[in-house]
Amino acid sequence: GDSVTQMEGPVTLSEEAFLTINCTYTATGYPSLFWYVQYPGEGLQLLLKATKADDKGSNKGFEATYRKETTSFHLEKGSVQVSDSAVYFCALRTGNQFYFGTGTSLTVIP
Amino acid sequence: SQTIHQWPATLVQPVGSPLSLECTVEGTSNPNLYWYRQAAGRGLQLLFYSVGIGQISSEVPQNLSASRPQDRQFILSSKKLLLSDSGFYLCAWSVRPGETQYFGPGTRLLVL
Repeated sequence: GDSVTQMEGPVTLSEEAFLTINCTYTATGYPSLFWYVQYPGEGLQLLLKATKADDKGSNKGFEATYRKETTSFHLEKGSVQVSDSAVYFCALRTGNQFYFGTGTSLTVIP
Repeated sequence: SQTIHQWPATLVQPVGSPLSLECTVEGTSNPNLYWYRQAAGRGLQLLFYSVGIGQISSEVPQNLSASRPQDRQFILSSKKLLLSDSGFYLCAWSVRPGETQYFGPGTRLLVL
């Protein structure tokens, strides 16, 4: 069935380091792909999305490119800040169903 | 603009007690509504979704139930909580099935 696999955390980075969180998916058809972020004590917020192959979603300095050939949607940021500390969820949508990854916890230290 | 509310924010309940979590959406009509659970160290699990008043679909068999008494109100209930019901419960809405979902702040439930 359809599914999303994220790199396991936790991830700890120093401020201004480069971030990559890997996400690969398995899906029939042509899914839409999403990254959600969950800050401590809060619910999920949509961070960015891409609806077709080669689309790049971007927001708040984060980027992810929909790669159909590698079935991937890796999240990247060139220079992380302490305020980026959160749990990041990769998700896909096929038809009317959403599938979420298990989440990757990121801690950024000053 | 649309907003989604959940309450309570935190709840501690004894095993065997009942549960009622409420979710309301403002600023939109006939939203699709969803209940998710996030257990410690695990991903999101879709529990229920609703496309309209009184229409509930269950994704996972369990001792939880959901109801939608009004267009923008979605309630998650249990008659008798289990220890395994502990987790973070998230309500979400979307304009149509399969479209981007917007999440509420969540309710953290601890069953002792």
